[in-house]
Amino acid sequence: QQQVKQSPQSLIVQKGGIPIINCAYENTAFDYFPWYQQFPGKGPALLIAIRPDVSEKKEGRFTISFNKSAKQFSLHIMDSQPGDSATYFCAASMRGGADGLTFGKGTHLIIQP
Amino acid sequence: NAGVTQTPKFQVLKTGQSMTLQCAQDMNHEYMSWYRQDPGMGLRLIHYSVGAGITDQGEVPNGYNVSRSTTEDFPLRLLSAAPSQTSVYFCASSPGTSRGYTFGSGTRLTVV
Repeated sequence: QQQVKQSPQSLIVQKGGIPIINCAYENTAFDYFPWYQQFPGKGPALLIAIRPDVSEKKEGRFTISFNKSAKQFSLHIMDSQPGDSATYFCAASMRGGADGLTFGKGTHLIIQP
Repeated sequence: NAGVTQTPKFQVLKTGQSMTLQCAQDMNHEYMSWYRQDPGMGLRLIHYSVGAGITDQGEVPNGYNVSRSTTEDFPLRLLSAAPSQTSVYFCASSPGTSRGYTFGSGTRLTVV
């Protein structure tokens, strides 16, 4: 049973465009939703995270939108650059992360120059 | 700070062998966890810990043991390696509630 569903699997966007990655979850006990960026051969790195009492959070060019009633959240990357090309994972956790993270399957993003 | 240090970076095992993947963090983080990453599967939680002496099972715990005798260290033991355990293993730590996890650089394990 996949608790966090992520789409699309892959995404190609022109430089300056706004890639959007979507995630949906089933477990209403989840209370912490981070996004991670991973480059080949490296470990995932935390980008931005949100709690369900907030509908939107921005950090630099990265924005999370959160819809609690629909049990969905998404990542938007503003003014995307070729250096943003990476694999992005959404995740969810109960107890603010104490129980570890449940990840989506990832989105391979390519930003074309 | 070295962050989260995983050793070894690469390992080849024969089926049936045992080994321990090491994970150490120098940030005094409470939470630690282990994940495996397989192509097309994302990262899956193996075991996690909220503090020294406390561990629990994640999504895919079979074939793996952990212990947390100190805040800093969280080793993962493969009891009898199987080819299905061929994967990249990541250790991560977090300072606490909703504070985010820092990941190590991973151990690439091949079981032949």
